[in-house]
Amino acid sequence: SAVISQKPSRDICQRGTSLTIQCQVDSQVTMMFWYRQQPGQSLTLIATANQGSEATYESGFVIDKFPISRPNLTFSTLTVSNMSPEDSSIYLCSVEEGGAGVEQFFGPGTRLTVL
Amino acid sequence: GQNIDQPTEMTATEGAIVQINCTYQTSGFNGLFWYQQHAGEAPTFLSYNVLDGLEEKGRFSSFLSRSKGYSYLLLKELQMKDSASYLCGIPQGGKLIFGQGTELSVKP
Repeated sequence: SAVISQKPSRDICQRGTSLTIQCQVDSQVTMMFWYRQQPGQSLTLIATANQGSEATYESGFVIDKFPISRPNLTFSTLTVSNMSPEDSSIYLCSVEEGGAGVEQFFGPGTRLTVL
Repeated sequence: GQNIDQPTEMTATEGAIVQINCTYQTSGFNGLFWYQQHAGEAPTFLSYNVLDGLEEKGRFSSFLSRSKGYSYLLLKELQMKDSASYLCGIPQGGKLIFGQGTELSVKP
């Protein structure tokens, strides 16, 4: 199974600043995803990070607010831009191995607090 | 689109059995996942059902009825460490869409 690491594990940021979260996988994977989990809630998919092309965003999420990079098959970044307290959440990356219906593995998450 | 519904929270007693339900409406169906998430940790895989019926894995079992758009996760011989959030999720176009999660509290 894929082993996923994220940096930073947590951060406290000021309103109006931006934070870039890194996700590293120990093997090449086709599909990488970014989720947000607000306090006490379930996971909401932000976008699918596509290697070699722009990310595909879910309804309610836009590239200007959450730019994503996917330079290769083992790495992706998510930037949370112009942060506000409402962005305080856990951000998780996940990968899927083998195609639709196969188990997804999640990174440990990045706990973000915006003051 | 899809709609996935779970109870928000449940409470059960140590040693008992609890059933967590998940109903869904989706265009296209490629199976249903159950994940467990302890507070402050990443979700971990529990089960994947693509065919109707019950799949058992130790103390945990998962059931699926595709015609009814219904699944449940059955936890037997509950232990305190089973206190966690349980998420059902449906793959759609390679991505996983989750229900709101069920927070299970196991009491002594």
